[in-house]
Amino acid sequence: DGGITQSPKYLFRKEGQNVTLSCEQNLNHDAMYWYRQDPGQGLRLIYYSQIVNDFQKGDIAEGYSVSREKKESFPLTVTSAQKNPTAFYLCASSILHNSNQPQHFGDGTRLSIL
Amino acid sequence: KQEVTQIPAALSVPEGENLVLNCSFTDSAIYNLQWFRQDPGKGLTSLLLIQSSQREQTSGRLNASLDKSSGRSTLYIAASQPGDSATYLCAVRRTGGFKTIFGAGTRLFVKA
Repeated sequence: DGGITQSPKYLFRKEGQNVTLSCEQNLNHDAMYWYRQDPGQGLRLIYYSQIVNDFQKGDIAEGYSVSREKKESFPLTVTSAQKNPTAFYLCASSILHNSNQPQHFGDGTRLSIL
Repeated sequence: KQEVTQIPAALSVPEGENLVLNCSFTDSAIYNLQWFRQDPGKGLTSLLLIQSSQREQTSGRLNASLDKSSGRSTLYIAASQPGDSATYLCAVRRTGGFKTIFGAGTRLFVKA
């Protein structure tokens, strides 16, 4: 079955450490997204990518980095510069230019500070 | 700047009741509007998507409406069941842009 796989499900970060969250999709979607979800708030866009080797900052990109070397993969690195990384991180993908197609989401990664 | 608001933040109803969840947005220049369901600790599942040119969409017991002129959408759930208990999020993608703006969600609890 086609879908989006995020790993790991839970991740713990030590102070000063960079951690990488994995996102893989087999839906053949061009566009991929990373969102952050905090309790009681809507999803906020961190980064998005419309095509391989290209990505754009979202609303809260500071302290995060991404790469898009393959169409299927869009890993997110939470760097030590992100001072409040504890949150639920969601990866999504979509067909690029079709108003009738929804975003598809993975099951998320919960990141906590040790 | 597009803002999306969902009211109420939480709702508890007895099983079998029909209910309406509300979503309002500030900019009527939208590309589409989506309703998602989120179970605790899980990702989002798309329920209904309404394109800018449409007024409503239906899937089973769910019906979503869109009124761009008033900046409102409603999600109607008929004959609610305990399995409907989840958080429901509304999301708006604006015309000419690539971002989707999400509301904070309505947490629904259906009592058996």
